[in-house]
Amino acid sequence: DAGITQSPRHKVTETGTPVTLRCHQTENHRYMYWYRQDPGHGLRLIHYSYGVKDTDKGEVSDGYSVSRSKTEDFLLTLESATSSQTSVYFCAISSSGSGQETQYFGPGTRLLVL
Amino acid sequence: GQNIDQPTEMTATEGAIVQINCTYQTSGFNGLFWYQQHAGEAPTFLSYNVLDGLEEKGRFSSFLSRSKGYSYLLLKELQMKDSASYLCAVLLYGQNFVFGPGTRLSVLP
Repeated sequence: DAGITQSPRHKVTETGTPVTLRCHQTENHRYMYWYRQDPGHGLRLIHYSYGVKDTDKGEVSDGYSVSRSKTEDFLLTLESATSSQTSVYFCAISSSGSGQETQYFGPGTRLLVL
Repeated sequence: GQNIDQPTEMTATEGAIVQINCTYQTSGFNGLFWYQQHAGEAPTFLSYNVLDGLEEKGRFSSFLSRSKGYSYLLLKELQMKDSASYLCAVLLYGQNFVFGPGTRLSVLP
């Protein structure tokens, strides 16, 4: 299994509070991604990173920010959580820009915003 | 925009063969991936196609036709443990992956 962990694994928070999710990898892979998964929508890309301090927006980036200060860590922040951000969040990593290396996914974080 | 379609649910019998289709219309294309996801778990990689044709990996095969924007995943000798969701994903240029909604496969005894 690829060395990728997420923390916390479960979180319950209240509307309006800030939340930070952490993704940590031990594979030294260049690319890191944050997705959310909701019934009927599949996996949707929030943000991704192609190197330290290099990030870009995905399909559903509104209300989310990210930071990558080290190769191994990619943080996802919900500045002010809303109920619509209740979801399962997956981090993924990949090593190549050619696409021949697939993405490996972390175990996921279940977030409930009350 | 990007559009990827898959059937929502499929049912098949243990030992049988099942084909899960995926059609896509995307602004770029750098490969097509299939993932398996058991309930409550993370997706895991099954196969990758970038050229037209069939890629075979044991009981799993994946086919791609770029001109038709079409792929399928073929599962042979179905086992109960194959009950899962199967996700089709297109790698766009710029390392963006776009996922389809997934197909939930139920394997019955």
